[in-house]
Amino acid sequence: SQQGEEDPQALSIQEGENATMNCSYKTSINNLQWYRQNSGRGLVHLILIRSNEREKHSGRLRVTLDTSKKSSSLLITASRAADTASYFCATEGRWGGGSNYKLTFGKGTLLTVNP
Amino acid sequence: DTGVSQNPRHKITKRGQNVTFRCDPISEHNRLYWYRQTLGQGPEFLTYFQNEAQLEKSRLLSDRFSAERPKGSFSTLEIQRTEQGDSAMYLCASSPGTSGRGADTQYFGPGTRLTVL
Repeated sequence: SQQGEEDPQALSIQEGENATMNCSYKTSINNLQWYRQNSGRGLVHLILIRSNEREKHSGRLRVTLDTSKKSSSLLITASRAADTASYFCATEGRWGGGSNYKLTFGKGTLLTVNP
Repeated sequence: DTGVSQNPRHKITKRGQNVTFRCDPISEHNRLYWYRQTLGQGPEFLTYFQNEAQLEKSRLLSDRFSAERPKGSFSTLEIQRTEQGDSAMYLCASSPGTSGRGADTQYFGPGTRLTVL
């Protein structure tokens, strides 16, 4: 079953604008990871944020995590046409709950950046 | 290229046939995972290995599915008596297993797209 729910399901913006995607999850986690997937291709890891972290940056990416609300957000600043892809959040469950190490993905947000 | 590789990239088979996929993880990665992704959905966990030991299997992995990692390096996923519902992208990932608790990044291969006619 899917744990995460990304919101919105689809997002269309103009090049240069910022894109924000949200993810909600249900159970306690060790970490939350964001991945990008271009049409028909594999998943590319973007960023990992641990459960004891609140914010993390990598280049044009900013991820926040609120464990009290069981939610995360991914912000892509100054978007480019090449950022067009599906974005997935994935959670690694807390150990001892029978979910060691496996990732549970949401359904993804389809981002379209128009030139 | 030192990333995760998967073969074949595409497989078309007839219902009832057996298929086998191969995954070569990043060198020296201890953990290897298999996921399945259907259209419009995120990947779903199937199974994972710590070295050669298969430590967890999803209930999605019916008796027709078997996975091995005989020497703790490459892995194979076999589906016996394929059904049309098995059509999906099968993704393999590997992780170091040494990054400390809560920080083990999984790196994915390009996937094998299976079509069962």
